Amino acid sequence: DIVLTQSPATLSVTPGESVSLSCRASQGISTSIHWYQQKSNESPRLLIKYASQSISGIPSRFSGSGSGTDFTLSINRVESEDFSVYYCQQSYSLPLTFGSGTKLEIK
Amino acid sequence: EVQLVESGGGLVQPGRSMKLSCAASGFTFSNYGMAWVRQAPTKGLEWVATISYDGSSTYYRDSVKGRFTISRDNAKSTLYLQMNSLRSEDTATYYCTRVLRGTWDYWGQGVMVTVSS
Repeated sequence: DIVLTQSPATLSVTPGESVSLSCRASQGISTSIHWYQQKSNESPRLLIKYASQSISGIPSRFSGSGSGTDFTLSINRVESEDFSVYYCQQSYSLPLTFGSGTKLEIK
Repeated sequence: EVQLVESGGGLVQPGRSMKLSCAASGFTFSNYGMAWVRQAPTKGLEWVATISYDGSSTYYRDSVKGRFTISRDNAKSTLYLQMNSLRSEDTATYYCTRVLRGTWDYWGQGVMVTVSS
């Protein structure tokens, strides 16, 4: 199974700061990584697909990068509505797997 | 508007069965693969099973293989998950999701399944 390691587990920031969340795969997965946001007591929402492809309706402050084993989700100038948990997910091979998540919290 | 509405969850004893349903609307159901993803209380997300757009192909995680069956009725725009021989570790919120090239672009609100005696 492909293991996805997300870091940090928790990130404390002030609104207006820009942040980068990391996701590392246990083997090369090309760009088959996707990012989801899950707010408290809500369903996950797709933010970025295939490492860097934007999703309709998602604010432009969210962007993704990386290929191979190292991936990054960047949020430019965090807003109050962005405080939630972020998961990466790989679709390179079965079983499809998620990272354990990064919680973005208010400092 | 795409809508996925799950039903059928609740409390069930270990070893018993339960069937989840997901009613889809707002898109052409028969054109899309569908999947179930679950989340144990206070835990992360875990893929459970996927079915192709026409039901001809199904895929499962090892821990549910042989116990769970994913199926669909395209005439009714409904996705199902038949869960047999349930275990305490199957306790989770189960999400119905639409597949888009390896990602899940729409999610239902989730249905809770609690396996306990």
